[in-house]
Amino acid sequence: DTAVSQTPKYLVTQMGNDKSIKCEQNLGHDTMYWYKQDSKKFLKIMFSYNNKELIINETVPNRFSPKSPDKAHLNLHINSLELGDSAVYFCASSPFWSYEQYFGPGTRLTVT
Amino acid sequence: AQSVTQLDSQVPVFEEAPVELRCNYSSSVSVYLFWYVQYPNQGLQLLLKYLSGSTLVESINGFEAEFNKSQTSFHLRKPSVHISDTAEYFCAVSDTLTQGGSEKLVFGKGTKLTVNP
Repeated sequence: DTAVSQTPKYLVTQMGNDKSIKCEQNLGHDTMYWYKQDSKKFLKIMFSYNNKELIINETVPNRFSPKSPDKAHLNLHINSLELGDSAVYFCASSPFWSYEQYFGPGTRLTVT
Repeated sequence: AQSVTQLDSQVPVFEEAPVELRCNYSSSVSVYLFWYVQYPNQGLQLLLKYLSGSTLVESINGFEAEFNKSQTSFHLRKPSVHISDTAEYFCAVSDTLTQGGSEKLVFGKGTKLTVNP
């Protein structure tokens, strides 16, 4: 069984489009995260949610909007995509009060 | 704020040789330390962690790391590597003060370990 899953795995789109990435975890964790990995493999946190409440909101353009319909899901919607948004986006989850994070397989976004 | 420096971006070694991947961190508060591994085209997997207790921590596949507070380091070692260890290795730090969903990991830039036959 997949613990943290993301869809789609690959996403190719044109500049200016709006797209969403979905994340689901079946671990019963309370906290979920979005990370961005750039072309140089550098990983940086974007957002975290705890039980549907936004906790961390790093300096991310407001074209990026996370949404958590329930504590098992955290989706990422991106408006007006730009070339610089091309990256691999990772979802992660962790139990409440835990520092161990479990990562999904990633979504490779390519903006042309 | 914390930062992590992985001193080597690439480390090529031969199979069965020992390897050390270096990681130094900077923080004004106590930290927890992690090593994650990313195999090609896959997500990150937790390799090992230091939260408290013994400063030497081990993974199930033969890696170990030692927390050295005075040198602010958490180097990863393996006495004999296999071809299957070829991957990207990321050191990460989290401060011990944030709680309740605020436990963000700050990552280093990664070290690509390539094990050659």
